[in-house]
Amino acid sequence: ILNVEQSPQSLHVQEGDSTNFTCSFPSSNFYALHWYRWETAKSPEALFVMTLNGDEKKKGRISATLNTKEGYSYLYIKGSQPEDSATYLCASSEGTYKYIFGTGTRLKVLA
Amino acid sequence: EAQVTQNPRYLITVTGKKLTVTCSQNMNHEYMSWYRQDPGLGLRQIYYSMNVEVTDKGDVPEGYKVSRKEKRNFPLILESPSPNQTSLYFCASSFVQGGGYTFGSGTRLTVV
Repeated sequence: ILNVEQSPQSLHVQEGDSTNFTCSFPSSNFYALHWYRWETAKSPEALFVMTLNGDEKKKGRISATLNTKEGYSYLYIKGSQPEDSATYLCASSEGTYKYIFGTGTRLKVLA
Repeated sequence: EAQVTQNPRYLITVTGKKLTVTCSQNMNHEYMSWYRQDPGLGLRQIYYSMNVEVTDKGDVPEGYKVSRKEKRNFPLILESPSPNQTSLYFCASSFVQGGGYTFGSGTRLTVV
């Protein structure tokens, strides 16, 4: 079974700090990687879908990169705000319809 | 509004009493999937469907059934629920394989 790992498990940052998290996945048979933002008491919301090695995606202050050869993706948040507080999930696929999710990075931005 | 609708949001039931959690999407998505979320574990896939009448097992299918008779609906059936199926369940859909999911609002199920 494909194993997707995220680190750190949780972190606290001050408002205005920039931060980043890691998603690691097996690089063999890679098909696609997703990032989701999951706020408490809500549903996960898609941020990015990436498929190509070297892909970079950006949405406002949040961006992501993908390295399929070494099996990792980074999510960056520039100038963190309290509303960025959420759990960030990544999910990877080996080219089938089965997506495996990591356990997430829980971010708390302190005002 | 484009959305995935799950019902019910909360459900407490007793062991062995059959139940169905409904899921409907209004985006004409081909792909639909069910996940369960348990503390300390990532979202785990129960079943998925590539299109009408095409379904397959995910990683944790035991104790669950699904059907896809219409493109918009993908109900999750627990024929004889047990306490280890107490969990938070999410239905999700996407337009194409590999597309980002749209998730439903979740169903918190407790089996006593």
